[in-house]
Amino acid sequence: NAGVTQTPKFQVLKTGQSMTLQCAQDMNHNSMYWYRQDPGMGLRLIYYSASEGTTDKGEVPNGYNVSRLNKREFSLRLESAAPSQTSVYFCASLSTGPGEQYFGPGTRLTVT
Amino acid sequence: AQSVTQLGSHVSVSEGALVLLRCNYSSSVPPYLFWYVQYPNQGLQLLLKYTSAATLVKGINDFEAEFKKSETSFHLTKPSAHMSDAAEYFCAVSLSGGSYIPTFGRGTSLIVHP
Repeated sequence: NAGVTQTPKFQVLKTGQSMTLQCAQDMNHNSMYWYRQDPGMGLRLIYYSASEGTTDKGEVPNGYNVSRLNKREFSLRLESAAPSQTSVYFCASLSTGPGEQYFGPGTRLTVT
Repeated sequence: AQSVTQLGSHVSVSEGALVLLRCNYSSSVPPYLFWYVQYPNQGLQLLLKYTSAATLVKGINDFEAEFKKSETSFHLTKPSAHMSDAAEYFCAVSLSGGSYIPTFGRGTSLIVHP
């Protein structure tokens, strides 16, 4: 099992460009999440998907969109990147009940 | 509503010394509590979790945490620090009986001196 995979690992964008961050899990988990991590801020939830076909906003959804393509895949799209979106982005998945989340290795995004 | 406070953004210890990382939570219903560790340039991985069974929870690498309801705390300890323990540690809480949307603390960076 690969667990949770994310692509790309690194990305540099210019202000106004768009891109999609990809996330996939092979653990048959129902719930998937997108977080951003900034120094001193911990992890902040951008969007989550409790099950295939549903998505909901988290704490910091502005400037982002998501797609739960199927049970395995959950993508995060930046339509018009801004320097404030420079961050490390993590995808996570969770099975059911009070279990732990499984995290991907992260995507380090820089917007200039 | 739920929230987590980690006291101290940085904790510095000597190798072999006791590690104590503090976490206090706020929750309107019985919580589930987690400690995660993040090594440099990696994702988070679970150290241990409390899900209403034993209040003293043992995790990987000799870490343990005790759930104290009266103090709303879930502090992480390790008897003897190792250089390889240097990392960022996150406490998280989620609520029982609902959708599992964990709330994370801001993290504590553990520095281990030789």
